[in-house]
Amino acid sequence: DAKTTQPPSMDCAEGRAANLPCNHSTISGNEYVYWYRQIHSQGPQYIIHGLKNNETNEMASLIITEDRKSSTLILPHATLRDTAVYYCTHFGNEKLTFGTGTRLTIIP
Amino acid sequence: DAGVIQSPRHEVTEMGQEVTLRCKPISGHNSLFWYRQTMMRGLELLIYFNNNVPIDDSGMPEDRFSAKMPNASFSTLKIQPSEPRDSAVYFCASSRVFYSPLHFGNGTRLTVT
Repeated sequence: DAKTTQPPSMDCAEGRAANLPCNHSTISGNEYVYWYRQIHSQGPQYIIHGLKNNETNEMASLIITEDRKSSTLILPHATLRDTAVYYCTHFGNEKLTFGTGTRLTIIP
Repeated sequence: DAGVIQSPRHEVTEMGQEVTLRCKPISGHNSLFWYRQTMMRGLELLIYFNNNVPIDDSGMPEDRFSAKMPNASFSTLKIQPSEPRDSAVYFCASSRVFYSPLHFGNGTRLTVT
């Protein structure tokens, strides 16, 4: 199963960039890193994924270290609606499992 | 695209009763996943299917739990008999192919009294 380490909580001021780190040192060479978020009482929502190169979409940017043992999700201009629990994960042993994630609170 | 549809949204039942949760994946998606979420244990993978075939059910907690996927557009998760410790939010998710991003439904909140 995927083994990831994330800080349990973070705060970020509204309008600032939110940088969420994740350690995934057990990831295999061909496994993608996925990021999801879960807003209270809703199902998890896919944000972004990547293998080696940095990725960007309309929601966020993903920076993956060269050794692929860690990554950082960047929300460039955080809004109050970005308050959520953020999970990083990968398909370890053919299973997509979720850790405890980071609870991100955007401060007005 | 209506997304993954789960029913019912809420289910309250008494201990010992049979519970059936339903899921309609996104059309064209070939993989389907069932998760359970509680405060104590977080998000747990229960079982997943690929092309309607169960691939890994090692996360199913007990024999009281069973899941089926009779066709590409429907899956059920059944608990018989239900117990209070089964109270949780149950999520269904689908993906286009196995390693592609998962799309989650809004879950079924199950309360067993």
